[in-house]
Amino acid sequence: DAGVTQSPTHLIKTRGQHVTLRCSPISGHKSVSWYQQVLGQGPQFIFQYYEKEERGRGNFPDRFSARQFPNYSSELNVNALLLGDSALYLCASSLFPRNTEAFFGQGTRLTVV
Amino acid sequence: AQKVTQAQTEISVVEKEDVTLDCVYETRDTTYYLFWYKQPPSGELVFLIRRNSFDEQNEISGRYSWNFQKSTSSFNFTITASQVVDSAVYFCALSEDNAGNMLTFGGGTRLMVKP
Repeated sequence: DAGVTQSPTHLIKTRGQHVTLRCSPISGHKSVSWYQQVLGQGPQFIFQYYEKEERGRGNFPDRFSARQFPNYSSELNVNALLLGDSALYLCASSLFPRNTEAFFGQGTRLTVV
Repeated sequence: AQKVTQAQTEISVVEKEDVTLDCVYETRDTTYYLFWYKQPPSGELVFLIRRNSFDEQNEISGRYSWNFQKSTSSFNFTITASQVVDSAVYFCALSEDNAGNMLTFGGGTRLMVKP
């Protein structure tokens, strides 16, 4: 079975641009979460979506937005990119609300220049 | 607010040594869940264990063991007889959600196991 897949794997953008990152959850998983991991730090929670509704939001500016589609895949959008947005963006899916763990994808490495 | 502290940023051991990774957490919730994840160079976070706040039993899985002590708000991870393949960054995390969503991660401990 395919795990959590994220695209693209690497991306280089210029300050001020917009970016869209994509995530396909494991088949049957209806919950998707997004995390930002700056180099040398632990991941920070950005959003969780369940059944296409936002269930949780971390402490990130409004430049960050996300959505979940009817097939449970998800997009993370970041507007007006800053150098500080350079990070590994991780997506996780789970069988929430069942008692099981979240499975992570390999992430999208975003570099803002 | 929830907080997870991993005071050891980097540990280096020689193969076959035992090593303990420390994790201290803060939360006001009475029900919460603790996790350990491994992050190899590929970047993907690999789930190792989940513990709920009502279960303080220690757990052993092969060479891995976990010690949960509510009295000291700690959830430490020990690798016995370490191997080179154990080299990775290890993260402790906390959530009030049993499915491991909305995790609060510590800063991670980089473990280097030398042959």
